Amino acid sequence: EPEVTQTPSHQVTQMGQEVILRCVPISNHLYFYWYRQILGQKVEFLVSFYNNEISEKSEIFDDQFSVERPDGSNFTLKIRSTKLEDSAMYFCASRPGARNNEQFFGPGTRLTVL
Amino acid sequence: AQSVTQLGSHVSVSEGALVLLRCNYSSSVPPYLFWYVQYPNQGLQLLLKYTSAATLVKGINGFEAEFKKSETSFHLTKPSAHMSDAAEYFCAVSDRNAGNMLTFGGGTRLMVKP
Repeated sequence: EPEVTQTPSHQVTQMGQEVILRCVPISNHLYFYWYRQILGQKVEFLVSFYNNEISEKSEIFDDQFSVERPDGSNFTLKIRSTKLEDSAMYFCASRPGARNNEQFFGPGTRLTVL
Repeated sequence: AQSVTQLGSHVSVSEGALVLLRCNYSSSVPPYLFWYVQYPNQGLQLLLKYTSAATLVKGINGFEAEFKKSETSFHLTKPSAHMSDAAEYFCAVSDRNAGNMLTFGGGTRLMVKP
């Protein structure tokens, strides 16, 4: 069964460093999402992406964040200068199309900022 | 703005007992509603969804949920708990536009005692 994959499973970085979190959505899905979950808190929406552009973003998704679909298969989340408060589990999700509202989630990347 | 409240961050039941996980939502428009389950070190898996068809929705693993508009609730139930049901459960809501970003509740950790 097709599934969303994410790499790495765990990333440790120093404050101020750039990180790129990678996701491979399910092939032929059209909508892509990033969510994050700070330890002990709710899963929060970051950004949605459709047709090679951001369709929605939350207040969390400030200028330090960017997303890209560089090659038609990967979907990346970049954090330019990480802060301690960026430590969280980051989930990627994809959705088939406008008529199917089910989002399929990856296993997540745990980001630890030291 | 949408919001989701899950009453009880931890619920403990005995094996074979009824499972009831509570979810209340607020939304200015008729929403889509979802229950996701997260097993340790795994991503979010869809249990069931409500999208304005039948108000009683059946999902995987014997779970079901009933949409009650008058109570703005979407509680998750299972008649008889199994040890393998121990996991974190998330209720989520999305609006009906094409973006479909999910707003999650805080999650409920279900523990099943032998």
